[in-house]
Amino acid sequence: GAGVSQSPRYKVTKRGQDVALRCDPISGHVSLYWYRQALGQGPEFLTYFNYEAQQDKSGLPNDRFSAERPEGSISTLTIQRTEQRDSAMYRCASSFLTGTSGYNEQFFGPGTRLTVL
Amino acid sequence: AQSVTQLDSQVPVFEEAPVELRCNYSSSVSVYLFWYVQYPNQGLQLLLKYLSGSTLVKGINGFEAEFNKSQTSFHLRKPSVHISDTAEYFCAVSDQSDFGNEKLTFGTGTRLTIIP
Repeated sequence: GAGVSQSPRYKVTKRGQDVALRCDPISGHVSLYWYRQALGQGPEFLTYFNYEAQQDKSGLPNDRFSAERPEGSISTLTIQRTEQRDSAMYRCASSFLTGTSGYNEQFFGPGTRLTVL
Repeated sequence: AQSVTQLDSQVPVFEEAPVELRCNYSSSVSVYLFWYVQYPNQGLQLLLKYLSGSTLVKGINGFEAEFNKSQTSFHLRKPSVHISDTAEYFCAVSDQSDFGNEKLTFGTGTRLTIIP
């Protein structure tokens, strides 16, 4: 089937505006992760969900950032009152969550490049 | 907490020459280790991973990496590179003990440029 999709692919907004970034995971994938990648840096973890439950939001930089996954499938990352420092590539990844120990590979989407003017 | 260091931000290599991309990590717990590749305008793709067992792991496109626990390293190698290997390469780790939360900690990346 299709891979992880993200929309929009590019978003330009003015400082102070709110933005919503969407992630559509691979069908059947239980776990969903959000990462942020600044220019010249590696991706940094923001938050993750198992089904609709947000299990870890320790990477969200401040309370302007929030995420939800109400039906356990599509997820939205919302940034309120955007600032120039929020400009980055926002990446989403999804994976199965098997019932046994071991690693479940994360499959990444193409990302949303956010530019805050 | 974990951290990953990729000392080389850019590596130029002639076509058909060998290459090694270096990765060192720091962690207070056991980790899984990964290399991801990012081609221009594409998402991250898993190149290879070390979970357990043999310390030499082979991945796609002829790449391999060796886990060295004593040196906390996981260097990526390829004996002969091609133009198509031009990309950015990221080393990453994940906490083995945090079952169900497999968040990745990435290095800053190495840009591999193949010179014809």
